[in-house]
Amino acid sequence: GAGVSQSPRYKVAKRGQDVALRCDPISGHVSLFWYQQALGQGPEFLTYFQNEAQLDKSGLPSDRFFAERPEGSVSTLKIQRTQQEDSAVYLCASSLRRDYYNEQFFGPGTRLTVL
Amino acid sequence: GNSVTQMEGPVTLSEEAFLTINCTYTATGYPSLFWYVQYPGEGLQLLLKATKADDKGSNKGFEATYRKETTSFHLEKGSVQVSDSAVYFCALRSGANSKLTFGKGITLSVRP
Repeated sequence: GAGVSQSPRYKVAKRGQDVALRCDPISGHVSLFWYQQALGQGPEFLTYFQNEAQLDKSGLPSDRFFAERPEGSVSTLKIQRTQQEDSAVYLCASSLRRDYYNEQFFGPGTRLTVL
Repeated sequence: GNSVTQMEGPVTLSEEAFLTINCTYTATGYPSLFWYVQYPGEGLQLLLKATKADDKGSNKGFEATYRKETTSFHLEKGSVQVSDSAVYFCALRSGANSKLTFGKGITLSVRP
C-alpha cells in the first residue's frame, strides 16, 4: 500500500515568507510525528499528534512554527516569517497506534531552503 | 534528558569487509533502541530494534545487541555489500513519550 507522502518535496522561500508543508500519513494510522533534520544531523522531534489532538509540541523551536491535523489524517506544518536557520529537511512519520512499541514509518521529507 | 552518540564518520569499506558502527545512549528509564537506514534518495527505514536489555535485533545480515551495562547498541555486519551504502542512524524511545531521539548519523560507503 501507499506509504507516508509529503509535499512539496522541495521548497525555496525568501526570508520572511510563510510556508506550509503537507503530510499524508498511511491510511488508518493514529499517530503522526514531525521531525526537523538539519544538514549533517539526525532528525529532531518537533511535535506529535494522536488523531486530531496535538499531545506534544515541546520540540517546536519558536512560536513561528505551527502544526495542525484537523480531521485526524492529513497534517500541515506551517512556518511563519521564515528565517535562514529554518532551512532543513522536514520529516513526517506515522504509526498505527499510540502503542509504545509501534513502528514509525517515515515520509521522504520536504527540503526547505530559506534564502 | 535523552541523547544518542554515534561514532564519527564517514566510513568507507571494501565489499565483504566486517562492519561495526558504534552507538551509545543516555536515557531515563528503560528505552527501546533502534537502527534506521536512509538509502540514497529514499526516506528513513527501520533496520532493526531491541526493546529490552540483552535483546538482539537483526535484519538483512545486520545485528545489534542492547547492552544495558555499557549503554550501547553497536551495529555489526559480517560482510558488507555495495548495496549497504547508506546513512545509518541510531535512535531511542523512552518512557511514555513516543518520540524518537536520534544520533547524528553516519555515512557508510562500500566500494566494489
